[in-house]
Amino acid sequence: GAGVSQSPSNKVTEKGKDVELRCDPISGHTALYWYRQRLGQGLEFLIYFQGNSAPDKSGLPSDRFSAERTGESVSTLTIQRTQQEDSAVYLCASSLEWYQETQYFGPGTRLLVL
Amino acid sequence: AQTVTQSQPEMSVQEAETVTLSCTYDTSESDYYLFWYKQPPSRQMILVIRQEAYKQQNATENRFSVNFQKAAKSFSLKISDSQLGDAAMYFCAFLYNQGGKLIFGQGTELSVKP
Repeated sequence: GAGVSQSPSNKVTEKGKDVELRCDPISGHTALYWYRQRLGQGLEFLIYFQGNSAPDKSGLPSDRFSAERTGESVSTLTIQRTQQEDSAVYLCASSLEWYQETQYFGPGTRLLVL
Repeated sequence: AQTVTQSQPEMSVQEAETVTLSCTYDTSESDYYLFWYKQPPSRQMILVIRQEAYKQQNATENRFSVNFQKAAKSFSLKISDSQLGDAAMYFCAFLYNQGGKLIFGQGTELSVKP
């Protein structure tokens, strides 16, 4: 596609439910990144993939958060047993390679946990 | 660890005037990249400008230019001839040469007055 796409655009869920957020990177981009942006804050790094391996998962806030990627394509970020503090915008980005390359962002998924 | 600081939570500029957004960072590395991203209300993070630390020449992109002071660890963004469409949150970001994750500042909200 022309850019990074994410779905859903918005998600409202109840506390304790699981959610899946999807990211489609730019075609040909080998690296994919997930960030979280709380209201009025900057972006926090969560995890990145080079191909389907994840060299850096250091930003995942707890074991309720996990992510996977199929080849050099779609990635899914899963949050289990959601909590109210998980409410945020989740942004995905992709780049040609993991180093020295500009990251291009998707429009994000706004998650609200009630 | 690298940190990025944007000391101006909000800035305002008159249309057609010039404004400068400040950013400082802390790192012990000598080879890295710096970015300015723009985030309008649509949430889409848009790359404004990029600077390689090994280049002494300041980057420019049309009305946008940077003042990169490596010794002072300062990376300010100058917007000339400000337009209403420039109104947005602006984030400064650092990328370590060997690492995939961007480290963001807290952002500066820029408003443009007609």
